[in-house]
Amino acid sequence: EAGVVQSPRYKIIEKKQPVAFWCNPISGHNTLYWYRQNLGQGPELLIRYENEEAVDDSQLPKDRFSAERLKGVDSTLKIQPAELGDSAVYLCATRSLKDTGELFFGEGSRLTVL
Amino acid sequence: RKEVEQDPGPFNVPEGATVAFNCTYSNSASQSFFWYRQDCRKEPKLLMSVYSSGNEDGRFTAQLNRASQYISLLIRDSKLSDSATYLCVVNRAGNTGKLIFGQGTTLQVKP
Repeated sequence: EAGVVQSPRYKIIEKKQPVAFWCNPISGHNTLYWYRQNLGQGPELLIRYENEEAVDDSQLPKDRFSAERLKGVDSTLKIQPAELGDSAVYLCATRSLKDTGELFFGEGSRLTVL
Repeated sequence: RKEVEQDPGPFNVPEGATVAFNCTYSNSASQSFFWYRQDCRKEPKLLMSVYSSGNEDGRFTAQLNRASQYISLLIRDSKLSDSATYLCVVNRAGNTGKLIFGQGTTLQVKP
């Protein structure tokens, strides 16, 4: 079974440019998370979806960040405009509450803002 | 104060050593707890859930102390392959899907 797929794996942009990340969850996983992980820190939750509904976006910087999950499957996370401090790894994770509730992560998208 | 706190380490131990990590959480109503492992430049992966009565998986033992609001992970007979960052994760009560990660504790096992 395919895992969580994220793209791009790496992205280098100049500040003030836009960037978008894409996530394809494990089939049947209703809950999808976007986390940001800075070097030496644990993942920090940005937004959580239950199907297509964003149920927790309290930590998403809404002035520059946006996310969507159309049809409750794939999701995109966008930053516009990017700032130097946005350099981090953006992790997508999905979860099925039907079983153990284990969180499965994608390999992440590493963003460098110059 | 962070909701989930860990000593970032690093913990440098020789092969065969026993090492323990602690994690404290601030929300007393938190309901479920986990340890995740993250290798360098890789994604986190579930190591084990933490049950109220404590649980063991091979060389790994997890304990939960609700009164003191801390979780522990004990690794016996450390292997070189145990070198990684161990992330403490708490599921916040009343918000079933919200998983809060600690900073992580880095373990380096030396030959």
